[in-house]
Amino acid sequence: DQQVKQNSPSLSVQEGRISILNCDYTNSMFDYFLWYKKYPAEGPTFLISISSIKDKNEDGRFTVFLNKSAKHLSLHIVPSQPGDSAVYFCAASPLSGAGNNRKLIWGLGTSLAVNP
Amino acid sequence: DTAVSQTPKYLVTQMGNDKSIKCEQNLGHDTMYWYKQDSKKFLKIMFSYNNKELIINETVPNRFSPKSPDKAHLNLHINSLELGDSAVYFCASSHSRNEQFFGPGTRLTVL
Repeated sequence: DQQVKQNSPSLSVQEGRISILNCDYTNSMFDYFLWYKKYPAEGPTFLISISSIKDKNEDGRFTVFLNKSAKHLSLHIVPSQPGDSAVYFCAASPLSGAGNNRKLIWGLGTSLAVNP
Repeated sequence: DTAVSQTPKYLVTQMGNDKSIKCEQNLGHDTMYWYKQDSKKFLKIMFSYNNKELIINETVPNRFSPKSPDKAHLNLHINSLELGDSAVYFCASSHSRNEQFFGPGTRLTVL
């Protein structure tokens, strides 16, 4: 049973426009959410995170929104650039386990293509 | 460069063989992880060590044995390799927070 779902396997966006990547989760015990970006033949790279006590976190062109009641989060990239083309993974961490004992539960990823 | 490094990057071997993948991080982190990404691109944690102590051990066959000689290293030894072990294996590290830093991955192909 997949606890973190990214229902869109791929997304194509024009350069300069907004990219919106979505993620749904089922476990109400998740209290920390992260987005990672992955290029081919490389490991995932941390992008941005959000704690469940917040509903928005912004870092430059990247903003993550969290809707706890809907168990939904999204990553907005504005403006999108060709270099943003990659696979984006959503991950969530449950309350159980403190500090370094936290497990990350991952979605299957969404492949974003930003067209020039 | 400060990073998480893995060796080898590619590993092709026959069924039944024993192989090891090495991981090193020079970020000063005290927690290290092994992940497996299967053919469906699903990234799943296998093990986690904190200060050389095993803290996460998912349902992984006994053929997989992690070893952490020190905080900067976490190696993965696999005995009696099977076809289903073919995957990309990622090592990662973190310090106290949830943000994990990943190595480039080791693509294992079992023939």
